Amino acid sequence: KNEVEQSPQNLTAQEGEFITINCSYSVGISALHWLQQHPGGGIVSLFMLSSGKKKHGRLIATINIQEKHSSLHITASHPRDSAVYICAVGGGSNYKLTFGKGTLLTVNP
Amino acid sequence: NAGVTQTPKFRVLKTGQSMTLLCAQDMNHEYMYWYRQDPGMGLRLIHYSVGEGTTAKGEVPDGYNVSRLKKQNFLLGLESAAPSQTSVYFCASSYSGRGTDTQYFGPGTRLTVL
Repeated sequence: KNEVEQSPQNLTAQEGEFITINCSYSVGISALHWLQQHPGGGIVSLFMLSSGKKKHGRLIATINIQEKHSSLHITASHPRDSAVYICAVGGGSNYKLTFGKGTLLTVNP
Repeated sequence: NAGVTQTPKFRVLKTGQSMTLLCAQDMNHEYMYWYRQDPGMGLRLIHYSVGEGTTAKGEVPDGYNVSRLKKQNFLLGLESAAPSQTSVYFCASSYSGRGTDTQYFGPGTRLTVL
């Protein structure tokens, strides 16, 4: 079974700061997903990565397959970025995702 | 296009009561999933379905049953609720079920069992 570890568990930042959230996994995968969950809200998919880097607005996600590691970066953070960010990995034809415990990000104005 | 919807949004049960959570998706997805989310733990898969009429056990299936009589609906049943089933339940769906496929989540159901 794949073990997915996220760090840090909690992160507090000031508006405008550059944010990095990390995700490591133990077994080779076909794809890694970053998800966002606002307080009391549903879960939405931000990125799906199988290699390299993706960018959407102020969010950047990278993955290093050899190191079994991914990072989610937020540039010019804003209070509306406050949420739980969840990393999940999927392997090959296996339709089950393994989820990390999430990183709670709080951005203060 | 509503995506994935769940009913109810909130529910309080007494120990031993039963209930059914309904998940519906309008994206014609084959795969559907039920997860539970508990503090300090990642999302855990309860049951899943790879198509109409099929269901399978996930990581934490005990105390739950499911049915997928129609492609668009996936029902999660609790026959005799226990306090350990207090949780937030999420339904999700995906097109193909491959690890590269995006899962679309419903808004969640917050269940409290007293």
